[in-house]
Amino acid sequence: QKEVEQNSGPLSVPEGAIASLNCTYSDRGSQSFFWYRQYSGKSPELIMFIYSNGDKEDGRFTAQLNKASQYVSLLIRDSQPSDSATYLCAVNMDQAGTALIFGKGTTLSVSS
Amino acid sequence: EPEVTQTPSHQVTQMGQEVILRCVPISNHLYFYWYRQILGQKVEFLVSFYNNEISEKSEIFDDQFSVERPDGSNFTLKIRSTKLEDSAMYFCASNRQPNEKLFFGSGTQLSVL
Repeated sequence: QKEVEQNSGPLSVPEGAIASLNCTYSDRGSQSFFWYRQYSGKSPELIMFIYSNGDKEDGRFTAQLNKASQYVSLLIRDSQPSDSATYLCAVNMDQAGTALIFGKGTTLSVSS
Repeated sequence: EPEVTQTPSHQVTQMGQEVILRCVPISNHLYFYWYRQILGQKVEFLVSFYNNEISEKSEIFDDQFSVERPDGSNFTLKIRSTKLEDSAMYFCASNRQPNEKLFFGSGTQLSVL
């Protein structure tokens, strides 16, 4: 069974702080890793993707991947109240496959 | 930015009825998908479609479900005989290649009574 695990939260951080979101996945052969943001009642919106071990930065967001530990994380610097949402980790576990396996998501609350 | 369009935004149906959910993927995309999200639960993969045939499907996508690209722009999901547990938000999505950014539509909220 291919699984993506996330803490459901809520994760509460004050405005301006760093939010750290974590995700583990079951399939060691997984190739592609994505972070989506989902506001209540809305569709998922891609924030970051990462394919290689290490860090990838895009503005206030940094994705980190450690394939040996089967672990991927998302750091949000200078968190804003508008970042309050559910963050979904998604993994393509099959190099030739098309299906993204999603975690349940971590709810982030940024207080002003 | 181009968008994936889904209609209707809400669909209410009686148990046992057939429903068709419609989607217009982004025009230059080659891969089309259906995902669903039951309230409070995770986004679940149903099916992917490429070159006019199913590429991959999940255990959820049983004989009650079918997909079709009836013309050059539309992509549909049909549920033949709806069950209460089919109530969910259904998202259509598309991309150019499987490992590229997946563009989601705004979803169809299906309620089976």
